[in-house]
Order: sequence, then C-alpha cells, then structure tokens
Amino acid sequence: RKEVEQDPGPFNVPEGATVAFNCTYSNSASQSFFWYRQDCRKEPKLLMSVYSSGNEDGRFTAQLNRASQYISLLIRDSKLSDSATYLCVVNPPGGFKTIFGAGTRLFVKA
Amino acid sequence: DTEVTQTPKHLVMGMTNKKSLKCEQHMGHRAMYWYKQKAKKPPELMFVYSYEKLSINESVPSRFSPECPNSSLLNLHLHALQPEDSALYLCASSQDFKGRVVVSPLHFGNGTRLTVT
Repeated sequence: RKEVEQDPGPFNVPEGATVAFNCTYSNSASQSFFWYRQDCRKEPKLLMSVYSSGNEDGRFTAQLNRASQYISLLIRDSKLSDSATYLCVVNPPGGFKTIFGAGTRLFVKA
Repeated sequence: DTEVTQTPKHLVMGMTNKKSLKCEQHMGHRAMYWYKQKAKKPPELMFVYSYEKLSINESVPSRFSPECPNSSLLNLHLHALQPEDSALYLCASSQDFKGRVVVSPLHFGNGTRLTVT
C-alpha cells in the first residue's frame, strides 16, 4: 500500500460546481497535513494546512479524519482559475519525511 | 513572489559537464530540501538538510552532490548526468519540526528546469 494515495483524476467540472478530493494515508502516527496547488510548469504552492478540527478559507474547506486516515479538500463555487493540480502532503514521524500524493488534476470549464 | 530563490531558472547541460544549482532563503528556516519533479508526477524527495547537516539522502546517485554552506544557502552539484535526469529541480525550506517530524509547510522556490543532452 502506498504511503499516500490520491485519485489522479482528472476532474472536469463546470464553473460554479462544488468538487471534493480525498487523500488517504497509511501511517496512523502522521502528524501534519497540507494541501498544495501546482499550476503547469510552476512550483507547488501551499493552499491550506489541515487541522484536526477542520478549517475553512473562503471557498476552500479542508478536513482530517484520523479514524479513517484521510484528508479532504472541498472547493465550492469553482472558478476557471481553480484549474490546477492539487497535491496532498502528509508528514509521518521520523526522518523529516514529507510525502506527496500523486496529485489530482482539476479542470474547471466555462 | 517566492521567498525561496533558485538559480538558474533553466539549465541545459551535456553529460560530461559539471554545473551547480543554487538555492537561497532568508526566512530563518533551518530545514532545506531538494526535490526532483518529472512531468505529471509529484515532487520526489532527494535530500534534506537540518541545521546545515544532511539528514536524509533518498538513495540519490552520487552524480548529485548536495552542499549546505550555511543556514541560508543550499547547492546541488551536478556531474556526469544522464538524459533521464532532465526534470524540474525544486528547493524548499521549512521552519518548524518536532524532533524529526516536519510540522510546518514547505516553501518552494520557482525551480530549475534542467535538460541533459
């Protein structure tokens, strides 16, 4: 089983749609979680940290489910500019490891 | 604007060349990373430096040689690369860790797009 698993998509959605991505992780002792956004031929940029209580930033909501070992990202009212690859990141204990999911490609169309 | 600066942005080198990639950050972060990213793949960890000491080498071939001269600089020396080493090389830094667990997000530079001919 991969340490972090993420549906690569692509997800094709119309503007205004709500879309959700999940990411599962195998190490139950993992301690910090993040979502990054990466545009084509650019570096990954932090979108949100994921907290145990869940957190929201505008149209974006991130949640952590430790019991089922997954994190989620919900995007409401999708914009054309949301088209990108979304990478989940999990930090398991030991060794400064930062593990990326494979990335989910999102295409928002007019 | 990124707070992690990488140079050069693009590099084309032959298989017999020696070149270096440079990375600089002035955020006071004490962990710095090199990642390699191929098209349509996630970043792949190569090296981690913590307090200027090499903490992780993910079985990277010796033709890649990292160096951390001080807390703000990170270099990646390249020698005798192969065409399959062509990729985007990303430098990153992070602030906080508890023991050996990264607890704060990574800040990435713009990357160096490397082509080996």
